[in-house]
Amino acid sequence: NAGVMQNPRHLVRRRGQEARLRCSPMKGHSHVYWYRQLPEEGLKFMVYLQKENIIDESGMPKERFSAEFPKEGPSILRIQQVVRGDSAAYFCASSQGTGRLSGTEAFFGQGTRLTVV
Amino acid sequence: DQQVKQNSPSLSVQEGRISILNCDYTNSMFDYFLWYKKYPAEGPTFLISISSIKDKNEDGRFTVFLNKSAKHLSLHIVPSQPGDSAVYFCAASGASYDKVIFGPGTSLSVIP
Repeated sequence: NAGVMQNPRHLVRRRGQEARLRCSPMKGHSHVYWYRQLPEEGLKFMVYLQKENIIDESGMPKERFSAEFPKEGPSILRIQQVVRGDSAAYFCASSQGTGRLSGTEAFFGQGTRLTVV
Repeated sequence: DQQVKQNSPSLSVQEGRISILNCDYTNSMFDYFLWYKKYPAEGPTFLISISSIKDKNEDGRFTVFLNKSAKHLSLHIVPSQPGDSAVYFCAASGASYDKVIFGPGTSLSVIP
């Protein structure tokens, strides 16, 4: 959905560098989810954030990965000291987070494709 | 531990026929289910959803059926069209389990 903006669309990093992926949710959405899709695999949940709060980071690797969703500005997924295994498509989704039974769904951005060389 | 399962990685269907994509879940806390469609190099797009108070939801050519006792849902596409060729993800969430959990996806090919 064009309403969720992710940038950059493509990111190339050398091993050991840092990668910063940005996600601007749809207007009015205060909940952000990050997912990772490894080649030939499905979407794996990484982290769920609300403004200034991490609600669930059970899918985040214990080291090198962090996420934030500040009061102002986009959500950032940060990967320090990238390794080849971090190469994947990273998708961000946003939702209102309330009224799911009324039909509020999570809308996805087009993803950031990270390649570690 | 995969809480949302799609046991068929791929499915091929003739144009005009019915496509049936299946999904099973293990977590009884889930009470809301969604289907997403994904084309290559694009983000997933919401298709249809169903809450646990219903057993069927229909939207045009797409119908989702939910069998709570079996923890099973299915997406029916009738009639199937070549433009439906994509990867379909089943997903689930719950009132007390707010993150959305996705299955691994089923790649549908609709053959003209």
